[in-house]
Amino acid sequence: GENVEQHPSTLSVQEGDSAVIKCTYSDSASNYFPWYKQELGKGPQLIIDIRSNVGEKKDQRIAVTLNKTAKHFSLHITETQPEDSAVYFCAAPYSGNTPLVFGKGTRLSVIA
Amino acid sequence: SAVISQKPSRDICQRGTSLTIQCQVDSQVTMMFWYRQQPGQSLTLIATANQGSEATYESGFVIDKFPISRPNLTFSTLTVSNMSPEDSSIYLCSVVGVSYNEQFFGPGTRLTVL
Repeated sequence: GENVEQHPSTLSVQEGDSAVIKCTYSDSASNYFPWYKQELGKGPQLIIDIRSNVGEKKDQRIAVTLNKTAKHFSLHITETQPEDSAVYFCAAPYSGNTPLVFGKGTRLSVIA
Repeated sequence: SAVISQKPSRDICQRGTSLTIQCQVDSQVTMMFWYRQQPGQSLTLIATANQGSEATYESGFVIDKFPISRPNLTFSTLTVSNMSPEDSSIYLCSVVGVSYNEQFFGPGTRLTVL
């Protein structure tokens, strides 16, 4: 089955700097890679995803890149703001598109 | 995306008792899942809730401990049976909709077992 590794486990950045979180996956057949943001006391919120037919996707300050050959994908947050502080999870499907198996999470702290 | 609600939002229970968690979605969905998130940890899939048939459980989870029902396309329940302190976790309902392929999560049920 799919195995997802996520790094780093914690990340502190100054407000306005960029943050990068990286994930690797094991199943070369996986073709869907979402990222979730979880704020304290809330359920995970889907913030961006990428499918295997593209290498990069952007949505305002957030971008995700995918390298299928190396089996890794990354989340990039530019111009970080204090409200970006949360736990971020990457995920990949057990098979097909769902259900998802999750990385261990990255606790991002943006320091004002 | 779907609007997902869970009841209760939190509960404190005594060991040996059982708690049933409800998940309601505002639109028909193709798939419903239950996840567990232990304190400070990631999300672990418990089972896929199948409409009108027995749920499909992941390794390490069994029906006697986590019975699941899904009587229709918008509702499911998860029961945590014979609870122990190790069951203290956040339990999350998750869905994939008819008109989208993304997976969305409910707000979670925070369970503390004393």
